[in-house]
Amino acid sequence: AQTVTQSQPEMSVQEAETVTLSCTYDTSESDYYLFWYKQPPSRQMILVIRQEAYKQQNATENRFSVNFQKAAKSFSLKISDSQLGDAAMYFCALYEYGNKLVFGAGTILRVKS
Amino acid sequence: KAGVTQTPRYLIKTRGQQVTLSCSPISGHRSVSWYQQTPGQGLQFLFEYFSETQRNKGNFPGRFSGRQFSNSRSEMNVSTLELGDSALYLCASRSGDTQYFGPGTRLTVL
Repeated sequence: AQTVTQSQPEMSVQEAETVTLSCTYDTSESDYYLFWYKQPPSRQMILVIRQEAYKQQNATENRFSVNFQKAAKSFSLKISDSQLGDAAMYFCALYEYGNKLVFGAGTILRVKS
Repeated sequence: KAGVTQTPRYLIKTRGQQVTLSCSPISGHRSVSWYQQTPGQGLQFLFEYFSETQRNKGNFPGRFSGRQFSNSRSEMNVSTLELGDSALYLCASRSGDTQYFGPGTRLTVL
């Protein structure tokens, strides 16, 4: 069965600093997709970044980048130059075709000014 | 393109009542999934519809049902509401491997 684990319930970062959110997952498939979603207080779930498992290159989207370690089944999110608007709950998620999207428990990110 | 829309945004019902939530996917997306989000259980998958057919179902009682119309709009229905059904219900439309979420419907059961 697919599982996603986020071991950090809460993280804090100073504005303009860098923070890394951790995620590990388990799947028996070799072809799958990983995502980070952001859920601000508005509760709208926003896609942050997407990673295809068969691609070794780590995905990047502006200030957001991932460290994808397929053998270790690890998928961490790095946020550079943190901004107040980055404060939100962040969810790591795993998708296999024909299956459901499975989420981790989430990490609350607080940004201090 | 317009995003995923969900109506209503907020609902208050009493135990035993029934409720119907609606979701309109992004234009061109044929897959719609529903999730329940609660503080205690997190995000839980309810079901997925693709071209009017249910493709996947989560571990929820039969009181939770859904359907999809030919224009890809989807509805979910919860009958005989219980206090524990109070939650944020999120709908997502899928393009390929990526799901895009609506703003959610906040259901409160009194």
